[in-house]
Amino acid sequence: NAGVTQTPKFRILKIGQSMTLQCAQDMNHNYMYWYRQDPGMGLKLIYYSVGAGITDKGEVPNGYNVSRSTTEDFPLRLELAAPSQTSVYFCASSYSVGTVTEAFFGQGTRLTVV
Amino acid sequence: GQQLNQSPQSMFIQEGEDVSMNCTSSSIFNTWLWYKQDPGEGPVLLIALYKAGELTSNGRLTAQFGITRKDSFLNISASIPSDVGIYFCAGSKGAQKLVFGQGTRLTINP
Repeated sequence: NAGVTQTPKFRILKIGQSMTLQCAQDMNHNYMYWYRQDPGMGLKLIYYSVGAGITDKGEVPNGYNVSRSTTEDFPLRLELAAPSQTSVYFCASSYSVGTVTEAFFGQGTRLTVV
Repeated sequence: GQQLNQSPQSMFIQEGEDVSMNCTSSSIFNTWLWYKQDPGEGPVLLIALYKAGELTSNGRLTAQFGITRKDSFLNISASIPSDVGIYFCAGSKGAQKLVFGQGTRLTINP
């Protein structure tokens, strides 16, 4: 199994450009998440999804958009890149069986906005 | 929103020492998870806890799900250089999103 796959691994954007960070999982997980991690800091939730067609905001959603048209894919869109969005972005997915929930992470996308 | 308070924020220890870190919350969780993040990598699941009072080991790692369901701790015995990294706790109330702690950065002096 590939698990959670994120692309690209690295990207440099100019201020005002837009891009989409891709995330795909092959574990048939219902939950998917996008986090950002600033240098030396913990994980902050940007958006999450509980299933195809359903998304919701996390702690820091401003400047981002998401969609979940399939169970497998959960892309994150930056419309007008700003230097404050320089960070490492992690996608994760999890399953729930009753009260059991485990999350698995991708390798991350390191984004620099200049 | 929900908050998990993880402590300490950072630890500097000698190789061979034992390590203890914990995570507390003001609300009850049904699942506690502990992750480790190596530099430049995504977090990797170490231990998952599903029942109050549960004590689970994974090699030199031991984690416990607090009786009150509002806390959890992680112990690492006889630390080695590859234990260096950031350790995150996470809680879940079942069919809801995960909530993460701020992380504990572990540094080991040889």
